Amino acid sequence: GDQVEQSPSALSLHEGTGSALRCNFTTTMRAVQWFRKNSRGSLINLFYLASGTKENGRLKSAFDSKERYSTLHIRDAQLEDSGTYFCAAEVSGGNYKPTFGKGTSLVVHP
Amino acid sequence: EAAVTQSPRNKVAVTGGKVTLSCNQTNNHNNMYWYRQDTGHGLRLIHYSYGAGSTEKGDIPDGYKASRPSQENFSLILELATPSQTSVYFCASGVTGGAYEQYFGPGTRLTVL
Repeated sequence: GDQVEQSPSALSLHEGTGSALRCNFTTTMRAVQWFRKNSRGSLINLFYLASGTKENGRLKSAFDSKERYSTLHIRDAQLEDSGTYFCAAEVSGGNYKPTFGKGTSLVVHP
Repeated sequence: EAAVTQSPRNKVAVTGGKVTLSCNQTNNHNNMYWYRQDTGHGLRLIHYSYGAGSTEKGDIPDGYKASRPSQENFSLILELATPSQTSVYFCASGVTGGAYEQYFGPGTRLTVL
C-alpha cells in the first residue's frame, strides 16, 4: 500500500476561513516537505521539516515522526492559495528517495 | 534566477519516437530526480542520481532511461515514446547528508500522439 496517505483529496474554502491538510505515514519518516502546485504548474516549496512545527505567514506545518503524520494548516485563506498541495516524505534510513502523497486540490472561493 | 531549469517546457512527440528531457541545476546539489505528475497519482519517481555518472531506478522506471553526465545536468530519455508517457515531468535537485529537501524545476509538458 501507499506509504503516504494524504487527505482530503479536495477542499473548498471561502476567503477568510481556514482548514488543515494531513498526511499519514505507514512507516517512520525522516522528514517531510510540503509543496503547492500553482495555476502555472510550478511546484513551490512551502516547508521542509525534520521535526516540530514551522510557520510562514498564514501557513503552519507540523511533523511528528513518532506518530507518523504531518499537517499543513491554512488560515485566512486567500484566492491565490488555490492550487494542489502535496506532501513528500522519505523513509528513515532510506536512500533519499521521497514518496509523494496524491495531493489535495484546494479551491478558495470569494 | 532559477536554480533548476528544464527544457523543453513543452514537447509533442509521435509514438515510437525518441524524446530527451533535459534538466540543469546551479544549486551544486549531488542528488537529482525525475518525476512525472498525473492527476490522482501525485508525483512518481522515475529515476534519480547521487552524482555525476550515477543513475538509479525509481518507482516507475520502465520505458525511461536517465543520464547524469555532470553535477549540473540530468537527462530523462524516452527511447520509444508511447501515449501512456503523456504527462508533466518535473526535475528536482536535492542535498545529501541527512536532509533531502528538494528544489523543483518548472516542469515539462509532454504529449505523445
